[in-house]
Amino acid sequence: GESVGLHLPTLSVQEGDNSIINCAYSNSASDYFIWYKQESGKGPQFIIDIRSNMDKRQGQRVTVLLNKTVKHLSLQIAATQPGDSAVYFCAEHDQTGANNLFFGTGTRLTVIP
Amino acid sequence: DSGVTQTPKHLITATGQRVTLRCSPRSGDLSVYWYQQSLDQGLQFLIQYYNGEERAKGNILERFSAQQFPDLHSELNLSSLELGDSALYFCASSVGTEGNYGYTFGSGTRLTVV
Repeated sequence: GESVGLHLPTLSVQEGDNSIINCAYSNSASDYFIWYKQESGKGPQFIIDIRSNMDKRQGQRVTVLLNKTVKHLSLQIAATQPGDSAVYFCAEHDQTGANNLFFGTGTRLTVIP
Repeated sequence: DSGVTQTPKHLITATGQRVTLRCSPRSGDLSVYWYQQSLDQGLQFLIQYYNGEERAKGNILERFSAQQFPDLHSELNLSSLELGDSALYFCASSVGTEGNYGYTFGSGTRLTVV
């Protein structure tokens, strides 16, 4: 599978600040991207997704930005809360490959009260 | 509750042994995916089944095998276990065969090989 990497393995932010988690992907054929949140002892949980024909998508307190030119994906969390502390994974879907999701290694977000 | 059920939640076994992990997909989902997650690592895709048939294979060792039954539940069999097989094993399900609708994950089985 193609590599999906993250720039920062750990990120600490103050409660109430905005968080930005970045992800680089290498497969230009990827057509769909998802951010997952994994809390300790739990399975990954879907946060937000974006298709390759879009640049931006907003959810509740979260925004995903996709820059296909530089193959970069980011997750922005507004007004970060202690409950946002978790590991965040980006995943890409390769429409030409095995047709599965490939995950990066993740970024651990720690929210400081 | 995500709707994907994995059992057991925890498993401790000795090297050389064989274990079976079980997954029941979310109602209506036909695809089941197995992932391995080692400590502080990402999710490594192992294998996918769709409606009872193997659909895709990832980095799955020959000592590992899986199947999906007519009722759509799936089992992952791990044999000749080694210390390095200690990990979280996740099952995920989706409606179709492709990943572009996202997956729903179970809460995982933590396997410890001693």
